[in-house]
Amino acid sequence: EAQVTQNPRYLITVTGKKLTVTCSQNMNHEYMSWYRQDPGLGLRQIYYSMNVEVTDKGDVPEGYKVSRKEKRNFPLILESPSPNQTSLYFCASSMGLRDGETQYFGPGTRLLVL
Amino acid sequence: QKEVEQNSGPLSVPEGAIASLNCTYSDRGSQSFFWYRQYSGKSPELIMFIYSNGDKEDGRFTAQLNKASQYVSLLIRDSQPSDSATYLCAASSGTYKYIFGTGTRLKVLA
Repeated sequence: EAQVTQNPRYLITVTGKKLTVTCSQNMNHEYMSWYRQDPGLGLRQIYYSMNVEVTDKGDVPEGYKVSRKEKRNFPLILESPSPNQTSLYFCASSMGLRDGETQYFGPGTRLLVL
Repeated sequence: QKEVEQNSGPLSVPEGAIASLNCTYSDRGSQSFFWYRQYSGKSPELIMFIYSNGDKEDGRFTAQLNKASQYVSLLIRDSQPSDSATYLCAASSGTYKYIFGTGTRLKVLA
């Protein structure tokens, strides 16, 4: 089954404790992206990757890191989480952001930083 | 700041009616526009995309784009209770960046 998976689905952590949210897709997609979704603010893009070893900042990259060492994986790293990073996070992938290409979203990771 | 704006709603329509969802965008360089549906607690899923001025129809859904007015809309004909969800409008300028609106909550009343 074609899908985007994220782990963990739920995470409670404390301020400053490094964490990684994994994202994996099995559709051989070139493009992957991370979003956060907050009430009243909608979906905001954190980072995206056009291919292996190629990443770029979205609208809200502060406090996050990413890497794309393999085509299928795009982990999101919070080196020192803070309470304002409490959010619902989505990973997405697509063949590329050309006209008509859709992004497939993972199930989401709900993060609470205390 | 590039923005995509939507009325948060809720937009309530009776079952069988036409639901009209609207979206405006600020970046004139936007080339592609997308409508996603998101059920509560779930991830967004694409309903339609449009990149040319005019209408695009797919089943009960019609997307409309007016680049001169920087306006995108989604019409849902014969609305069903299962259409009750939040609808997200998104724009892309073809630079691998998506800008999403905050979404419009639609309630279809049985």
